[in-house]
Amino acid sequence: ETGVTQSPTHLIKTRGQQVTLRCSSQSGHNTVSWYQQALGQGPQFIFQYYREEENGRGNFPPRFSGLQFPNYSSELNVNALELDDSALYLCASSRERGGQETQYFGPGTRLLVL
Amino acid sequence: SQQGEEDPQALSIQEGENATMNCSYKTSINNLQWYRQNSGRGLVHLILIRSNEREKHSGRLRVTLDTSKKSSSLLITASRAADTASYFCATDGGSNYKLTFGKGTLLTVNP
Repeated sequence: ETGVTQSPTHLIKTRGQQVTLRCSSQSGHNTVSWYQQALGQGPQFIFQYYREEENGRGNFPPRFSGLQFPNYSSELNVNALELDDSALYLCASSRERGGQETQYFGPGTRLLVL
Repeated sequence: SQQGEEDPQALSIQEGENATMNCSYKTSINNLQWYRQNSGRGLVHLILIRSNEREKHSGRLRVTLDTSKKSSSLLITASRAADTASYFCATDGGSNYKLTFGKGTLLTVNP
């Protein structure tokens, strides 16, 4: 148990819809990163939030957006869902920003787009 | 895009044997981390090795790093059935914010 929680655990949406995924970070952590993991692949970095500001972004289109709240929990929003968005979405919290920090992952939200 | 490549893609061994997984990466790094994932669930951090370190141990895990070859290896000694999982290496690629993961090695330990 890492202390990072995600909701919901599973979600089914249809193409064109919008989805919001939620993540509660571990106590004392101010940084949340989001990753997308397609079946059989490693996680791919979407973006990172540090103290409520976006701290870096991967190669994902603008329809992927996020928020971080004052309690450091976070949301990932995806608009205009496409079939290829079907994946496991992982959030990870860390004490500070930066690639040198250990990231503590939540159990993930599995999204299926039909 | 994937920064690292794990090798082999899949490994099947008997309980009690050692398992070795390799990772190669492309750009310079500040550190390299290994993570484990059970059955498509969340990842668990195993070990972090910094670019100025060559070897690190944690329990039954031994990690080596060769920055001249841009490669790392993870050795699990005296494997157990509970070690069955996917193992990923992740590098920071000199970034101050993101980790880049490889595709992983699926390890199966047969009882």
